[in-house]
Amino acid sequence: GENVEQHPSTLSVQEGDSAVIKCTYSDSASNYFPWYKQELGKGPQLIIDIRSNVGEKKDQRIAVTLNKTAKHFSLHITETQPEDSAVYFCAATFSGSARQLTFGSGTQLTVLP
Amino acid sequence: EPEVTQTPSHQVTQMGQEVILRCVPISNHLYFYWYRQILGQKVEFLVSFYNNEISEKSEIFDDQFSVERPDGSNFTLKIRSTKLEDSAMYFCASTRLQSPGELFFGEGSRLTVL
Repeated sequence: GENVEQHPSTLSVQEGDSAVIKCTYSDSASNYFPWYKQELGKGPQLIIDIRSNVGEKKDQRIAVTLNKTAKHFSLHITETQPEDSAVYFCAATFSGSARQLTFGSGTQLTVLP
Repeated sequence: EPEVTQTPSHQVTQMGQEVILRCVPISNHLYFYWYRQILGQKVEFLVSFYNNEISEKSEIFDDQFSVERPDGSNFTLKIRSTKLEDSAMYFCASTRLQSPGELFFGEGSRLTVL
């Protein structure tokens, strides 16, 4: 079935450094790839997304890159701050189910002051 | 900023009891969803709902589960006879019709089955 693999499961960085989280997906027809941030005790919140007709998208300190040939996409956070500490989930939609998201297993990001 | 609201935030129930989780989606959204997250695991799709009927459902969404939009604002998830393995955080989400996949999640309802 459809699958999204996410690495690493935990990531610690010093404040001000960059963080990169990577995901791979199984369905070459996937066309929508969002990233969600989940803070403790809260629901996932969309932080950035990318569609299959674009290779890169940036929003201030956050960027997402997509490599359709290799079927992987990455989240890049620059100049990390303590408030970036959270669990980050990648997700993808798969062919035949344009509205159902399949999530990765999550990355616990800790930004050390 | 409009948001998805869920009640209750936490419910404890005995195995075999019925549970209803409630959600108020964002008012101009037309697609509604329930997702589940077992503690420490990934978020899993349960069901999507549009135009007063189920659009898609996962293998998790068996006959013990049902959804309903009883009025113009509420969207409910009912678990008919809870099992221990139903213990999880249940998230409601909604989307604008023109933005497939862009989900806005509520803060979740934690269900504990004893």
